[in-house]
Amino acid sequence: GQNIDQPTEMTATEGAIVQINCTYQTSGFNGLFWYQQHAGEAPTFLSYNVLDGLEEKGRFSSFLSRSKGYSYLLLKELQMKDSASYLCAVNTDKLIFGTGTRLQVFP
Amino acid sequence: EADIYQTPRYLVIGTGKKITLECSQTMGHDKMYWYQQDPGMELHLIHYSYGVNSTEKGDLSSESTVSRIRTEHFPLTLESARPSHTSQYLCASSDLAGLAQETQYFGPGTRLLVL
Repeated sequence: GQNIDQPTEMTATEGAIVQINCTYQTSGFNGLFWYQQHAGEAPTFLSYNVLDGLEEKGRFSSFLSRSKGYSYLLLKELQMKDSASYLCAVNTDKLIFGTGTRLQVFP
Repeated sequence: EADIYQTPRYLVIGTGKKITLECSQTMGHDKMYWYQQDPGMELHLIHYSYGVNSTEKGDLSSESTVSRIRTEHFPLTLESARPSHTSQYLCASSDLAGLAQETQYFGPGTRLLVL
């Protein structure tokens, strides 16, 4: 079966660092995506990992360990506008989405 | 910036009506997708297409149908709408182009309410 696990909710303070974890068990793996989705809006692409290691893109970084079936999204210098759901998605022959982690950033 | 459009953005309709949700992309992408998402819940793939004249059912059973007559257009049709169809419908597209990375770009979504 296909299984992707993420925490349901997280809270953090403006200016802080937060790490959102994602574990997966899928039949096939062609890469892992992180998407951001604000309430009532469509998901927008944040990052893609296909090889082990860390990919950094500004305030956001994403890490992948294929042997552990594990990824995390790291958000630095949190801003209020980062309050959103963060979706982990694994590309098999289709994109399998996790349920998303709802992040609330407080002042 | 992705160029993928959905119309209508919001639709309120009575039970039994036939509706078509439109999705168009101007990026020349081969793959297109329809997802269904209830508020605060995960995305469920209901249909996808690899290209013209290709349509496949997704993981979530759906009473809707799709067609792909043109590369840029992937409409979704409900022959007889029911209250259980109330949801947000998201269209997406991606470009194969021989790359491992198939980033999906999403349209703004259609919020459907069936009374």
